[in-house]
Amino acid sequence: EVQLLESGGGLVQPGGSLRLSCAASGVTFSSYAMSWVRQAPGKGLEWVSGTIGSGGVTYYADSVKGRFTISRDNSKNTLYLQMNSLRAEDTAVYYCAKAEHYYDFWGGVYWGQGTLVAVSS
Amino acid sequence: QSALTQPASVSGSPGQSITISCAGTSDDVGGYQYVSWYQQHPGKAPQLMIYDVSNRPSGVSNRFSGSKSGNTASLTISGLQADDEADYYCTSYASSNTWVFGGGTKLTVL
Repeated sequence: EVQLLESGGGLVQPGGSLRLSCAASGVTFSSYAMSWVRQAPGKGLEWVSGTIGSGGVTYYADSVKGRFTISRDNSKNTLYLQMNSLRAEDTAVYYCAKAEHYYDFWGGVYWGQGTLVAVSS
Repeated sequence: QSALTQPASVSGSPGQSITISCAGTSDDVGGYQYVSWYQQHPGKAPQLMIYDVSNRPSGVSNRFSGSKSGNTASLTISGLQADDEADYYCTSYASSNTWVFGGGTKLTVL
């Protein structure tokens, strides 16, 4: 059974940094693209970033480009999201999502349960 | 990276059918067969209900169906049940190498 477990969320001050992790199990991790999707409190879903199976190509939403970095360690079956220069509007539950193909980072059946990031002074 | 447009809310009685629309552009919904629909219950992670416009993942009831015409996709739920009450999000791959979401539709089962 595929499982995705996010960690690393918490309270951080504006301008601060945080690194999220998503540990995958029950899947050949390197065979699939992955994405991060977030949901601000009481709001809808917003795609943040995606990467192909190797991690060699990455994609970002305009709202986080230049501040966030997605990466993966396929030897550890783990996806990361390094978040710098955090703003109040980055406050959200962050989900990792496994895609169904190596290159196509969108869609997918399996999502983690999310980790909450709160940016506040 | 504009969001797709969905109605804020829809409602229906048990046993009825409802349809949720999702309006995009030729750069997303209209340009690709990569429309998906997710169901989200409060406090839970999204669950994939439809992928590639009209395909159902294993385990999803055939009461859920998807379609697309031009730049607008639709999700139809037939034989409404109480447990269908949730938020529904359409999504699509977009030509800017992004994954765009609709604003979400709250389905109320009366």
